[in-house]
Amino acid sequence: DSGVTQTPKHLITATGQRVTLRCSPRSGDLSVYWYQQSLDQGLQFLIQYYNGEERAKGNILERFSAQQFPDLHSELNLSSLELGDSALYFCASSGISAGNTIYFGEGSWLTVV
Amino acid sequence: TQLLEQSPQFLSIQEGENLTVYCNSSSVFSSLQWYRQEPGEGPVLLVTVVTGGEVKKLKRLTFQFGDARKDSSLHITAAQTGDTGLYLCAGDSNYQLIWGAGTKLIIKP
Repeated sequence: DSGVTQTPKHLITATGQRVTLRCSPRSGDLSVYWYQQSLDQGLQFLIQYYNGEERAKGNILERFSAQQFPDLHSELNLSSLELGDSALYFCASSGISAGNTIYFGEGSWLTVV
Repeated sequence: TQLLEQSPQFLSIQEGENLTVYCNSSSVFSSLQWYRQEPGEGPVLLVTVVTGGEVKKLKRLTFQFGDARKDSSLHITAAQTGDTGLYLCAGDSNYQLIWGAGTKLIIKP
C-alpha cells in the first residue's frame, strides 16, 4: 500500500460526459501528480500541484482540469469525454519526508463508451 | 522535446535466464529512476541512480547509470516469474520526470 488513495477505481461513462477523479496523497506529502496511462501512449505526465498551487504542466488537454484543495487532496476533472480518453489515470504524491520519492496510487480505470 | 527511449519494448524469456533493459536519451539527467509496475497497480520505485557511472544492486537486479548521465541499464540475473511486470525508467530534468514508454517483461516458468 503506497498510501495514495484514488477513487473511483473503475468508471464507465458515455462520450460527451464529464467525470471527476479524486486523490488523497500520502500523509504529509505536499506534491500531487496526475498521470494518464494508455496502451499506445505509455505513462503521460498531466499536471503537478504543490501545496495547492500548480507547479508543472505536461500533456494535459484543455478539456481536462485539476486542482489541489487546502487539505491537499486533489481532483482531476475530465470533460467532453471522447473514446480516446479511455485510460488508467494515476495520482501520485511526493514529499520531503521520503526524499521526494514519488508514490503512485492504484489508479482509476476510465472507460468511455 | 526530451525523450527517453526504452528497449526492448517487450521481452519474454524463460525462468533462469539473464536479461538487460536499456534506457537511452540524448539529454543529460540529474538522476534516473527505475520503476516496476504490476497489472492493476501503480508503478513502484525500485532505485534512483544519481552519479555518472554509478552501479546499484538490488538482489538480482543491477542498475547502471551511464558516465554521461544520458543512459541507464537494468540487468536481471537468473530471472524469476515474480520479475514479470512493466519496467519504466524516468529521468529527472529540471525537477520534472521524463518517462520512458516501458519494457513489458514476461518470465515463463
